[in-house]
Amino acid sequence: GIQVEQSPPDLILQEGANSTLRCNFSDSVNNLQWFHQNPWGQLINLFYIPSGTKQNGRLSATTVATERYSLLYISSSQTTDSGVYFCAVGGNQFYFGTGTSLTVIP
Amino acid sequence: GAGVSQSPSNKVTEKGKDVELRCDPISGHTALYWYRQSLGQGLEFLIYFQGNSAPDKSGLPSDRFSAERTGGSVSTLTIQRTQQEDSAVYLCASSLVSQGYEQYFGPGTRLTVT
Repeated sequence: GIQVEQSPPDLILQEGANSTLRCNFSDSVNNLQWFHQNPWGQLINLFYIPSGTKQNGRLSATTVATERYSLLYISSSQTTDSGVYFCAVGGNQFYFGTGTSLTVIP
Repeated sequence: GAGVSQSPSNKVTEKGKDVELRCDPISGHTALYWYRQSLGQGLEFLIYFQGNSAPDKSGLPSDRFSAERTGGSVSTLTIQRTQQEDSAVYLCASSLVSQGYEQYFGPGTRLTVT
């Protein structure tokens, strides 16, 4: 299967700081999603972004499919951004990375 | 509209018993996925249904695991003769393939095998 690596594994931010999360994958993919798993375990869709750049409020994402990576940018972080961020890639079947655990402290 | 729903939300069972987990996908979604997430881990793919095609069962960890999808809608994941290592959160997702494979997840079923 496709290998998905996310970095950093853990991240602690002061409220208001910016951050970049990275997702590298080992093969060409047709689909890529970023999710936020909140402290209650619910997976929330952030972006469906097999290529290109998208923005939604304080969050944006860029996927460079030819170079097999995607970046998630979080600006002006808030405590509610805390949780685990997953990247998932694939065709019919999605392969998940092990996530980046983000803690935003007030 | 309604999202993906799963039931039960929590299930505690004794080792050796069979369990059934249910997933109701978003209405009209043609694809349905099952994953499991062990404590502190990422998601592990189990099985994928797309329309009337044969399911992709390549992620099922053993023959104790099976799943079916009736009428192209509701799906049931069955685990026979449960083992303690089956304890995990089981997550279901659905997608409307005609608009790409963007998945929407349910809240999960937390299974504990004692």
